[in-house]
Amino acid sequence: GAGVSQTPSNKVTEKGKYVELRCDPISGHTALYWYRQSLGQGPEFLIYFQGTGAADDSGLPNDRFFAVRPEGSVSTLKIQRTERGDSAVYLCASSPGTSGGKSGELFFGEGSRLTVL
Amino acid sequence: SQKIEQNSEALNIQEGKTATLTCNYTNYSPAYLQWYRQDPGRGPVFLLLIRENEKEKRKERLKVTFDTTLKQSLFHITASQPADSATYLCALDLYNTDKLIFGTGTRLQVFP
Repeated sequence: GAGVSQTPSNKVTEKGKYVELRCDPISGHTALYWYRQSLGQGPEFLIYFQGTGAADDSGLPNDRFFAVRPEGSVSTLKIQRTERGDSAVYLCASSPGTSGGKSGELFFGEGSRLTVL
Repeated sequence: SQKIEQNSEALNIQEGKTATLTCNYTNYSPAYLQWYRQDPGRGPVFLLLIRENEKEKRKERLKVTFDTTLKQSLFHITASQPADSATYLCALDLYNTDKLIFGTGTRLQVFP
């Protein structure tokens, strides 16, 4: 497809379970971002990849959260021992430039809605 | 502390009027400022980018201003239409990082 693809679109899990969320960016985009958005709030930065490496992971809330991008394309956000407070929409975005947002816009996917019961 | 503030209350206006949304920030030094539109259940969509040395940017019915002294951006939609109803997010692109910092967004409702 032409846009950023995120799967699953919805995920319901139980407290304490492990979850993986996948992001397939626009082909050729070198920068990839993960954000988290709670109801009524703006997107909150989690982590940014430039190619395969995490250039900035300062937004990850704790060590239960981890993200990878092994081949510089698809990325997976992994959440261990989920808690009810992890419930949110997880947004992925990609950007074509080597300098991320400063090259212009971010292209967002539709998000993965995570509900932890 | 660092903050980006957008009016949390919804803005309700009549079709045909100009909508003006405000983005104020404190303790940030942005190189750029971006505006996004977000519809319910969808991801944000980019609208406009303005650089710190630009006072104003226009695109069709949209106009953005950026005052680095006041630390404020104004986003205007002229001749508003019901289809403009959405949440509008401002985002700061800082000098020392490649991540965007988003405000909380303002919901705009345009009534026929």
